[in-house]
Amino acid sequence: DQQVKQNSPSLSVQEGRISILNCDYTNSMFDYFLWYKKYPAEGPTFLISISSIKDKNEDGRFTVFLNKSAKHLSLHIVPSQPGDSAVYFCAASDSTGNQFYFGTGTSLTVIP
Amino acid sequence: EAGVTQFPSHSVIEKGQTVTLRCDPISGHDNLYWYRRVMGKEIKFLLHFVKESKQDESGMPNNRFLAERTGGTYSTLKVQPAELEDSGVYFCASSQFGRYNEQFFGPGTRLTVL
Repeated sequence: DQQVKQNSPSLSVQEGRISILNCDYTNSMFDYFLWYKKYPAEGPTFLISISSIKDKNEDGRFTVFLNKSAKHLSLHIVPSQPGDSAVYFCAASDSTGNQFYFGTGTSLTVIP
Repeated sequence: EAGVTQFPSHSVIEKGQTVTLRCDPISGHDNLYWYRRVMGKEIKFLLHFVKESKQDESGMPNNRFLAERTGGTYSTLKVQPAELEDSGVYFCASSQFGRYNEQFFGPGTRLTVL
């Protein structure tokens, strides 16, 4: 049973516009959430994270929003660039850090 | 600083054969994780080592999978005997002790079982 879900397998956005990637989770014990970016034939690379005590974390063009009551988080990329085209994975863990649960990924295409 | 490396990058074997995947974590990283991604699905946790000890192996599919990390350095994941459903990309990740959320992933090993 998947505890982290990314319901949009793909997303296309025009260069310069905002990309919004969504993620839902079911386990209320999760207290740390991460976004990873993956290019073909490479491993995922860490992008940005957020702790459950916050509702927003920003790093340059990337912002992650967390809505604990809805068990939902989103990644905003503004402005989107062609180099952002990749598969984005949402992940979550509890406080032990022993297990990480990933979603199925959303493939983002930024059109020049 | 060298990243996480995995060997081989690809492996094609027949059902019933044995395959051993290797992961070399970043030097000094005590935490080592194995994950698997079956095509189009989620990246699924397999197990977590802290140094040479298995911290959590609840994600291992069955007893055909055996992971070791002798000496707390590199790790191996053996599949014996391999089945068709074992096909996928196996990722290894490592992180410093106490920094569970800063995992660095290797490029993965693509395993195809025919």
